Amino acid sequence: DAKTTQPTSMDCAEGRAANLPCNHSTISGNEYVYWYRQIHSQGPQYIIHGLKNNETNEMASLIITEDRKSSTLILPHATLRDTAVYYCIVRVRDAGNMLTFGGGTRLMVKP
Amino acid sequence: GAVVSQHPSRVICKSGTSVKIECRSLDFQATTMFWYRQFPKQSLMLMATSNEGSKATYEQGVEKDKFLINHASLTLSTLTVTSAHPEDSSFYICSARLLADTQYFGPGTRLTVL
Repeated sequence: DAKTTQPTSMDCAEGRAANLPCNHSTISGNEYVYWYRQIHSQGPQYIIHGLKNNETNEMASLIITEDRKSSTLILPHATLRDTAVYYCIVRVRDAGNMLTFGGGTRLMVKP
Repeated sequence: GAVVSQHPSRVICKSGTSVKIECRSLDFQATTMFWYRQFPKQSLMLMATSNEGSKATYEQGVEKDKFLINHASLTLSTLTVTSAHPEDSSFYICSARLLADTQYFGPGTRLTVL
């Protein structure tokens, strides 16, 4: 799986958009970008994934650059409950393929 | 969305005893489940891949005789920490694969070995 680079931590004001970047310059053509988050002392939660098109669901939007070397997860209106560690993972969409977690970004949403 | 449960959520045991942790997919069948371990302020580390009806595949450095994994049905995988020691104290998390592209995680089990 391609390596990803994320900032160690970020702050965001409550109610504002949180934009979490991820660099994956060695991503290959068949690798997807996945985002998970982990709230303290809980299991990770799936957020969104994409290949090359921008994606949106009820939780977030995923913007992938045209060259696919980086992406941004957007939480449009961050709340205090969005405080968590956010993991960007690139992997082949394949049966049996496990997830490899890096350090992630610790997002702190502040009132 | 798909739900994965773990039991127990917390366990405290004495050194030398064995502890069993259950991971269940509640509303879907999972041919593959994964077990992770997370130490304080660290990221999740994959321990093993559990396949229904076959032996688990362990990651390098994980002792298969110490961490026994059984995946007897499509909705249940168990992890048994045998002869637990204080250094085995950790947050153990399982996940179940629903589709080729999505894994759903359990809430985790915090093991404390005294």
